[in-house]
Amino acid sequence: DTGVSQNPRHKITKRGQNVTFRCDPISEHNRLYWYRQTLGQGPEFLTYFQNEAQLEKSRLLSDRFSAERPKGSFSTLEIQRTEQGDSAMYLCASSWPLQTTSTDTQYFGPGTRLTVL
Amino acid sequence: QQQVKQSPQSLIVQKGGISIINCAYENTAFDYFPWYQQFPGKGPALLIAIRPDVSEKKEGRFTISFNKSAKQFSLHIMDALPGDSATYFCAGRKASPKFYFGSGTKLNVKP
Repeated sequence: DTGVSQNPRHKITKRGQNVTFRCDPISEHNRLYWYRQTLGQGPEFLTYFQNEAQLEKSRLLSDRFSAERPKGSFSTLEIQRTEQGDSAMYLCASSWPLQTTSTDTQYFGPGTRLTVL
Repeated sequence: QQQVKQSPQSLIVQKGGISIINCAYENTAFDYFPWYQQFPGKGPALLIAIRPDVSEKKEGRFTISFNKSAKQFSLHIMDALPGDSATYFCAGRKASPKFYFGSGTKLNVKP
């Protein structure tokens, strides 16, 4: 399967614990995005990378959140001192921007569902 | 503030019927409008997309109608099938590659 993969698919943690999620994008894609989706809502942008550079971060991404893409391939999203409000689906997407058409289609992974008790 | 507003929240249609989902946006800087389909437990999958210089785009049973002056666009699903039952999200994108998603429409196609 050459799509976007995310691990783990589910994570249950206690409030105050740290969690880390991994995303493996489609191999030739140089842009990678993180979104958060709560129940009954559309995905909300968190941050994106072009290669290894983190180019934009949402105000939703508090100091407890950090994302990395050290070699421009896979990415990790860490949440420190989790809170119950962090419970959500965390989605990763990747894209290969087409310079001529600028459509930059984003392909999403299956997500990691985080439950904070 | 929500940059893309989507309605209705849910929709029930009979097999073979037509589903229409509407979205409205505020920011005239948006230059790309995709629709995504999401099944339970899965990530969103691109269904069809349109740029604002086109008023309509059709792919199979799915059509986007785009009204630039009204800042509205809609998804039409023709000959609905039970397998179309999913949540549909519209989105818009400005110069930055991030998408602003609508709140979603849960479609249920009755056999």
